[in-house]
Amino acid sequence: EAGVTQSPTHLIKTRGQQATLRCSPISGHTSVYWYQQALGLGLQFLLWYDEGEERNRGNFPPRFSGRQFPNYSSELNVNALELEDSALYLCASSSGLLHTDTQYFGPGTRLTVL
Amino acid sequence: DAKTTQPPSMDCAEGRAANLPCNHSTISGNEYVYWYRQIHSQGPQYIIHGLKNNETNEMASLIITEDRKSSTLILPHATLRDTAVYYCIVTNTGTASKLTFGTGTRLQVTL
Repeated sequence: EAGVTQSPTHLIKTRGQQATLRCSPISGHTSVYWYQQALGLGLQFLLWYDEGEERNRGNFPPRFSGRQFPNYSSELNVNALELEDSALYLCASSSGLLHTDTQYFGPGTRLTVL
Repeated sequence: DAKTTQPPSMDCAEGRAANLPCNHSTISGNEYVYWYRQIHSQGPQYIIHGLKNNETNEMASLIITEDRKSSTLILPHATLRDTAVYYCIVTNTGTASKLTFGTGTRLQVTL
């Protein structure tokens, strides 16, 4: 069974540009989560999508947004990139069933803002 | 979600059992204890979780105290590939559905 996949592996942008990161969940999973891990810092929760809807949002500015498609894959968009957006962006998926809601993570996309 | 406390670092000799403690004294009745690990610059890997009973899988064992205020993750025969940061997370995944990662324990397995 394939795990969570993310693309691209690495992304280099300049300040002010927009970045789009993609995530494909484990087959059968309907929930997708996004986390940011800046260098030397812990994982910070960004967004949670389930059945195409945004269900929860972390303490990030509105220029961090995303969406979930009918096939449950997801995009994270970061507008007006700032240097401090450089980080490893991790996507996780879960089945959405309350009693077995374990999140499984992908390998991440490393975003570098120059 | 309840807050967790873990030692910042631990060492373990290869082949020996690694016992990683976690305190979660404010855990509530419907919160699970989850363990993940993160090998440098990779996505966190799920290890095990439990509610109140001890759990075992192919990777590890989870021992939860009777009052649920602390737990221990046991890697029975640590190898060099187990060197990672281990995160203990307490969460009610059914509603909040976000994992709050602390600073974890950096386990160094040595020859």
